[in-house]
Order: sequence, then C-alpha cells, then structure tokens
Amino acid sequence: NAGVTQTPKFRILKIGQSMTLQCTQDMNHNYMYWYRQDPGMGLKLIYYSVGAGITDKGEVPNGYNVSRSTTEDFPLRLELAAPSQTSVYFCASSYSSSSGQGGGNTIYFGEGSWLTVV
Amino acid sequence: QQQVKQSPQSLIVQKGGISIINCAYENTAFDYFPWYQQFPGKGPALLIAIRPDVSEKKEGRFTISFNKSAKQFSLHIMDSQPGDSATYFCAASGGGADGLTFGKGTHLIIQP
Repeated sequence: NAGVTQTPKFRILKIGQSMTLQCTQDMNHNYMYWYRQDPGMGLKLIYYSVGAGITDKGEVPNGYNVSRSTTEDFPLRLELAAPSQTSVYFCASSYSSSSGQGGGNTIYFGEGSWLTVV
Repeated sequence: QQQVKQSPQSLIVQKGGISIINCAYENTAFDYFPWYQQFPGKGPALLIAIRPDVSEKKEGRFTISFNKSAKQFSLHIMDSQPGDSATYFCAASGGGADGLTFGKGTHLIIQP
C-alpha cells in the first residue's frame, strides 16, 4: 500500500516553461487536494477534488490547473512558470462518506515535490 | 485573512521537558481540529485530533487542550524527546470539501 505518490521529487524549471506534477493514490479516496508550502507560511490549498470529473479552486489557484479523470490520479499543471511558484507542493487525499463533508477525515499527504523556477 | 493563528514560530525545549504550541481560530463553523507533524523532507502526517465536544484528548505523550469559548486549542508534548524534533501544524476544518486550514507551523527542537 503506497498511499499518496508524487512525481517528480525535485524539478528545476525556467521562467515561462510548463510542467505537470503527477499524483496518484491507491487508497480509493474520493477527495484529493494540492497544497503548496512556503517557509514560515504553512500549507495553502491550491485546488481540490471531491471525485472524478469534479474540481474546484482553493485559496491560491492562480497559475495552476488540475484535472481528475480517475479516482486515483490528480495531476497539477503549471502553465508559464514564474519565480513565485518556487515552492514545495504536496498532494493529499482523504475519504468522506457524505457528499460535501470533507472535514473530520484524516488527510494523507504525499512526500512532496520540490520545484524551483529560475 | 489568516483563519488559524499558531504560536510560537519556533521553540527549543530540553529533553524531558514539556513542549506547548498554541493555536487560535476565528471561524466558529470549524468543528475538527487536528495537529500534523512534519519531518524534514517528508509530508505532514496526522498526530492527534479533537472535536469541540471535548476539552481534552490524550494519546500517549501528546495532549490536545481545547477551549471553545476562547476559540483556542493547544498541543502539549510531555517528556519531550529528540525524536519529537519536527515542524508541527495545527489545522481546522468546518466539514466542507475543501479540506483543512493550516496554521503557519512551529519548528520544534528538543535538545538532548
């Protein structure tokens, strides 16, 4: 049972390049999330999904896009990378048995993807 | 608007001492308050969590104290050990699908 798996672990991008951070989970969780973590700032929600085909914006969605074609996968796309997107990105998942009730359920995180934009 | 305020930003405690980290929240709709522990190079992992219907929850050396009227909750680590050195995040959720709102984190160092 691998849990939440993110790739790549490390990546350096040039300004204006695009890339996709991959995330897959094998726990059959319906909810998935992307957070970014900046030093001293905690974790901020970029996008989330309550199930295949459904995504929604979080607190800091600008410059990012997501898709959820399957329960397992939730890739994060960075278009036109900017230095402000230098960060550590965490994918996470959880299970909720009630629609719209994501709270109170343990959220499991991947090990992170370190992205530097130069 | 920062909905969960965490303090201190960093904390140094001697081995065997008590580590205390505090959080305050603003949104009265929050009804789930977890603490996450993060080691360098790893993702956060759930440590302990509480709901507002109880004032305290203890799991081993870790205790959450919750004060609903003050909208505050804290993590106490008893008999702190060097292996507890990590970053700790408090968080809160109101039952929505958008997951958790995190505090900014506390970098805890336990000196041998």
